[in-house]
Amino acid sequence: AQSVSQHNHHVILSEAASLELGCNYSYGGTVNLFWYVQYPGQHLQLLLKYFSGDPLVKGIKGFEAEFIKSKFSFNLRKPSVQWSDTAEYFCAVITHTGRRALTFGSGTRLQVQP
Amino acid sequence: GAVVSQHPSRVICKSGTSVKIECRSLDFQATTMFWYRQFPKQSLMLMATSNEGSKATYEQGVEKDKFLINHASLTLSTLTVTSAHPEDSSFYICSAIGLAGGFRPDTQYFGPGTRLTVL
Repeated sequence: AQSVSQHNHHVILSEAASLELGCNYSYGGTVNLFWYVQYPGQHLQLLLKYFSGDPLVKGIKGFEAEFIKSKFSFNLRKPSVQWSDTAEYFCAVITHTGRRALTFGSGTRLQVQP
Repeated sequence: GAVVSQHPSRVICKSGTSVKIECRSLDFQATTMFWYRQFPKQSLMLMATSNEGSKATYEQGVEKDKFLINHASLTLSTLTVTSAHPEDSSFYICSAIGLAGGFRPDTQYFGPGTRLTVL
């Protein structure tokens, strides 16, 4: 079965620092990849997604992610974080096996200090 | 954009009672809805997949007689936690996939979640 690993469980940054959150998945076939964000007290929101094409994907709020197939990775980046980016970030994958449910990583809690 | 609502947002019940949670797609028709469970400081774990008009598909380890799922229409799915116990206390989140023609079928839209506390 597929799995998703997020190695950074808790990240603390100062405002304007650059961000990179790691995400690796284990599945040999075709995948669709997602990053979701969950702000405190709010529901999950889609940041960005990769289905095919350009492996560098740009999402909302200045986030981007790069799909590196050879490394089974889909790391999330932002050049300059803001205090409002404080949230929980989840990487997720859908495999092309007919099962359309998302498999989530364990999440990374990002805390941005002003 | 696509909106998914859940009701109630928070519920407290006594052990042994049943609780029903509703998940609605407000502005699109959902062919498939998913129910997830999220424990504190952990990730979302898929409980079951619900397709309109058919029986839900449960993940391994999820008791189908305890977590009853009904997907009666293209805009409503319900999760009923029967004979709830304190260990059922959790955050339950639904998501929906829309029909093609307006929304990407592989993009899930999440509800805000329901926090269940069983005393």
